[in-house]
Amino acid sequence: EAQVTQNPRYLITVTGKKLTVTCSQNMNHEYMSWYRQDPGLGLRQIYYSMNVEVTDKGDVPEGYKVSRKEKRNFPLILESPSPNQTSLYFCASRTSGRADTQYFGPGTRLTVL
Amino acid sequence: GDSVTQMEGPVTLSEEAFLTINCTYTATGYPSLFWYVQYPGEGLQLLLKATKADDKGSNKGFEATYRKETTSFHLEKGSVQVSDSAVYFCALRAKGQNFVFGPGTRLSVLP
Repeated sequence: EAQVTQNPRYLITVTGKKLTVTCSQNMNHEYMSWYRQDPGLGLRQIYYSMNVEVTDKGDVPEGYKVSRKEKRNFPLILESPSPNQTSLYFCASRTSGRADTQYFGPGTRLTVL
Repeated sequence: GDSVTQMEGPVTLSEEAFLTINCTYTATGYPSLFWYVQYPGEGLQLLLKATKADDKGSNKGFEATYRKETTSFHLEKGSVQVSDSAVYFCALRAKGQNFVFGPGTRLSVLP
């Protein structure tokens, strides 16, 4: 089954404790993204990757890092989480192409105390 | 920059009512337009899309027409069901650019 998986689905942590949210896709997609979803703001892109070893900032990259060492994986790293990073996070992937559909993971709800 | 505006809701309807969720956009060039749906506890799923002016996207009884003259892509369904309760996101993607999403519209359908 074609899918994007994320782990963990839920995470409660404390300020400053480094964490990683994993993302994996099995569709051989070149393009992967991370979004955060906040009430009233919709989805905002954090980082994206056009292919292995190619990453770039989205609209809200501050406080986040990513890496793309393999095509299928695109982890999101919070080196020193803060309460304003409490949010619902989605990973997504797609092939290149103007109208290509993005496939989303199930989401990770993060709470930073 | 590119942007998407949509009614935020919440929208509450009775089963079998007619649904319209308005979406307008600002973009350079001719973007592709999308509607995504998010059911409770899940990620977003593509509902329908349109890639050029006057195209109509349709799926599961939902429709939206790409109106370049009014820069709009309103979502409609003739008869909603309780199972349509979800959050609906309008989005665009211009050539070579990333997706831009609207704030989402929460729809509740009552039996």
